[in-house]
Amino acid sequence: EAGVVQSPRYKIIEKKQPVAFWCNPISGHNTLYWYRQNLGQGPELLIRYENEEAVDDSQLPKDRFSAERLKGVDSTLKIQPAELGDSAVYLCASSLAGAETQYFGPGTRLLVL
Amino acid sequence: AQSVTQLDSHVSVSEGTPVLLRCNYSSSYSPSLFWYVQHPNKGLQLLLKYTSAATLVKGINGFEAEFKKSETSFHLTKPSAHMSDAAEYFCVVRSARQLTFGSGTQLTVLP
Repeated sequence: EAGVVQSPRYKIIEKKQPVAFWCNPISGHNTLYWYRQNLGQGPELLIRYENEEAVDDSQLPKDRFSAERLKGVDSTLKIQPAELGDSAVYLCASSLAGAETQYFGPGTRLLVL
Repeated sequence: AQSVTQLDSHVSVSEGTPVLLRCNYSSSYSPSLFWYVQHPNKGLQLLLKYTSAATLVKGINGFEAEFKKSETSFHLTKPSAHMSDAAEYFCVVRSARQLTFGSGTQLTVLP
């Protein structure tokens, strides 16, 4: 069974440019999460989806970040415009509805110059 | 509110010797606790989880952890380290459907 798929794996952009990350969760997983992991720290939740509904986006910087999960399957996280401080690894995870165990993708490593 | 403190940012052991990675937690509710491992350029992998059943939890690759409510601790142990155990380890508390990660412990295994 395929795990959580993320692309791209690496991205280098100049500040003020837009960037988008894509995630395809494990088949059948209703819940999808986006995390940001800064260097030397643990991941921090940005947004959680239950099917296509964003049920927890309190930590998402809404002035420049947006996310969507239009059909309740794959999801896109966007930053526009990117800032130097956005350099981090962006992780996607999924789980069955109500399940405690989350399964993580390999992440997208973003470097903003 | 919930939080996790991993007491050591780096731990170094020799191959074949025991591993101890320390974790203390704080939670307003009865927590579920996890240990995840992250190898370079790979996704986070679940090692083990505690969900209010047995206080001694066995995980993959010979790791285990003991939940001690009186000490609010959930330390990760392994009797004998292997070179392949070198990675970063995260202690995680789950409460109210939200995961809170510790800052991680980098484990180095020396030959």
